[in-house]
Amino acid sequence: QKEVEQNSGPLSVPEGAIASLNCTYSDRVSQSFFWYRQYSGKSPELIMSIYSNGDKEDGRFTAQLNKASQYVSLLIRDSQPSDSATYLCAGSYNQGGKLIFGQGTELSVKP
Amino acid sequence: DVKVTQSSRYLVKRTGEKVFLECVQDMDHENMFWYRQDPGLGLRLIYFSYDVKMKEKGDIPEGYSVSREKKERFSLILESASTNQTSMYLCASSFSGSRYNEQFFGPGTRLTVL
Repeated sequence: QKEVEQNSGPLSVPEGAIASLNCTYSDRVSQSFFWYRQYSGKSPELIMSIYSNGDKEDGRFTAQLNKASQYVSLLIRDSQPSDSATYLCAGSYNQGGKLIFGQGTELSVKP
Repeated sequence: DVKVTQSSRYLVKRTGEKVFLECVQDMDHENMFWYRQDPGLGLRLIYFSYDVKMKEKGDIPEGYSVSREKKERFSLILESASTNQTSMYLCASSFSGSRYNEQFFGPGTRLTVL
């Protein structure tokens, strides 16, 4: 099992819909999780961090963490074509400052 | 805002050349990281540093070395560039005092080795 695993894409949703991105993690990964957005040819940009069980909302983005089931998700409401990008899930190791990244899920929002 | 800068956006080098990639951050972060990103392989950690003059190997250190003489600057060195080192290189930094370990990335350097 990969330490951080994302559902394979590409994921295609119509404009205005909710996009749901999912990520599971292994025991080696700690309790801090991050979602990065990466546009083609650009570097990853941190968009959400979540540390506690439950939901965290920021504008159109909601991150959800379920420690018992070891999954973290990102919901994007009212999806826009500008949300089209690859989304990387990352978790921190139980010690140190290293992160382990998933392979990324490509999201395409169709007008 | 955290700012991480990298010396070049695009770089073309010849096989066997010594290549230096520079990364500078302006937020007084203790931790700095070098990754490479390749299609289908995701982000892979090359080296990281928790403090000045300290370095730790990541998952793929072979063919690379690093230098951290000042807190704000972390250099990646390709001792003798090879074509399989053609990649996107990403630098990141984070604050060691944070329990959350958020990393912030520079714009990346796309290196082509001919």
